[in-house]
Amino acid sequence: EPEVTQTPSHQVTQMGQEVILRCVPISNHLYFYWYRQILGQKVEFLVSFYNNEISEKSEIFDDQFSVERPDGSNFTLKIRSTKLEDSAMYFCASSVEETNYGYTFGSGTRLTVV
Amino acid sequence: GQSLEQPSEVTAVEGAIVQINCTYQTSGFYGLSWYQQHDGGAPTFLSYNALDGLEETGRFSSFLSRSDSYGYLLLQELQMKDSASYFCAVRDSTNYQLIWGAGTKLIIKP
Repeated sequence: EPEVTQTPSHQVTQMGQEVILRCVPISNHLYFYWYRQILGQKVEFLVSFYNNEISEKSEIFDDQFSVERPDGSNFTLKIRSTKLEDSAMYFCASSVEETNYGYTFGSGTRLTVV
Repeated sequence: GQSLEQPSEVTAVEGAIVQINCTYQTSGFYGLSWYQQHDGGAPTFLSYNALDGLEETGRFSSFLSRSDSYGYLLLQELQMKDSASYFCAVRDSTNYQLIWGAGTKLIIKP
């Protein structure tokens, strides 16, 4: 079964440093998303991406964040100048179409900012 | 504002039936989804309701009443592997965002 692949699975970084989280969506999917989940809390939408541009972003997704699809397979989330409160699980997801359901999630990257 | 309410925790016995409720308040509505998440794992899609009524997928069923802004997930013949958190999520019709509930932790006892 096709999977969304995320690397690394764990990332520890010092406050103020930049991190890049990587995702390889399912190959025939056209819509890509980043979500985050602070430990024990609900999943929060960050950004959606389609046709090489951001479709929608939440209030969380401020200037500290950026996304990129540098080639035909990777989809990255960059967090500049990380803060302690950025510590969370970051999930990438993809879907075939602009769907209301059935996103396929990756297994996540646990980011710890120290 | 937009919000989804679901119980924080539900406890049930193996082999039993459990219902997890979800009420929502959103500016638009474009369907109610349910996701399962095991500890440390990724959310996995379970079911989706766009129209009123019951959708059945094996041991899991999901119900929606748009007039009541309410839905539920019904799990039958509970197995220990069903122990997980269950999230309801609504897609706002005005954007691509999935708005998530805080999740219900399902605890299953033998």
